[in-house]
Amino acid sequence: EAQVTQNPRYLITVTGKKLTVTCSQNMNHEYMSWYRQDPGLGLRQIYYSMNVEVTDKGDVPEGYKVSRKEKRNFPLILESPSPNQTSLYFCASSNWGGFGELFFGEGSRLTVL
Amino acid sequence: QKEVEQNSGPLSVPEGAIASLNCTYSDRGSQSFFWYRQYSGKSPELIMSIYSNGDKEDGRFTAQLNKASQYVSLLIRDSQPSDSATYLCAVRGAAGNKLTFGGGTRVLVKP
Repeated sequence: EAQVTQNPRYLITVTGKKLTVTCSQNMNHEYMSWYRQDPGLGLRQIYYSMNVEVTDKGDVPEGYKVSRKEKRNFPLILESPSPNQTSLYFCASSNWGGFGELFFGEGSRLTVL
Repeated sequence: QKEVEQNSGPLSVPEGAIASLNCTYSDRGSQSFFWYRQYSGKSPELIMSIYSNGDKEDGRFTAQLNKASQYVSLLIRDSQPSDSATYLCAVRGAAGNKLTFGGGTRVLVKP
């Protein structure tokens, strides 16, 4: 089954404790992206990757890191989480260099205390 | 001014009626336009894409695009309770790499 898999789905952590949210897709898509969704603000892009070893900032990259060492994986790293990073996070992938349909993971709800 | 704007709703429509959702965007060079549906607690899923001016129909859904007015809309005909969700408008800008989402319109279809 074609899918984008995120882990963990739910996480409660404390300020400053490094965490990684994994994202994996099995559709051989070149393009992957991370979004955060907050009430009233919609989906905002954090980082995206056009291909392996190619990443770029989205609209709200501060406080986040990403890496793209393999085509299928695109982890999101919070080196020192803060309460304002409490949000619902979605990973997405697409073919055709990002011009095709975006397929979303199920989301990861993160709470930073 | 937000890059992609939608009325947050809720838009309440009776079952069987037409729901009309609107979206405006600021990047005049935008080329691709999408409507995603998001059920509460779920991830967004694509329901329509439109690239040229005019109407595009798919089942009960019709997307309308007017690039001169920087306006894209979605009509849902014969609305069903299962259509109750948040509808997200997404616009791909002229640069191509960035897909910008509006805040979404919540639709409630009442039996």
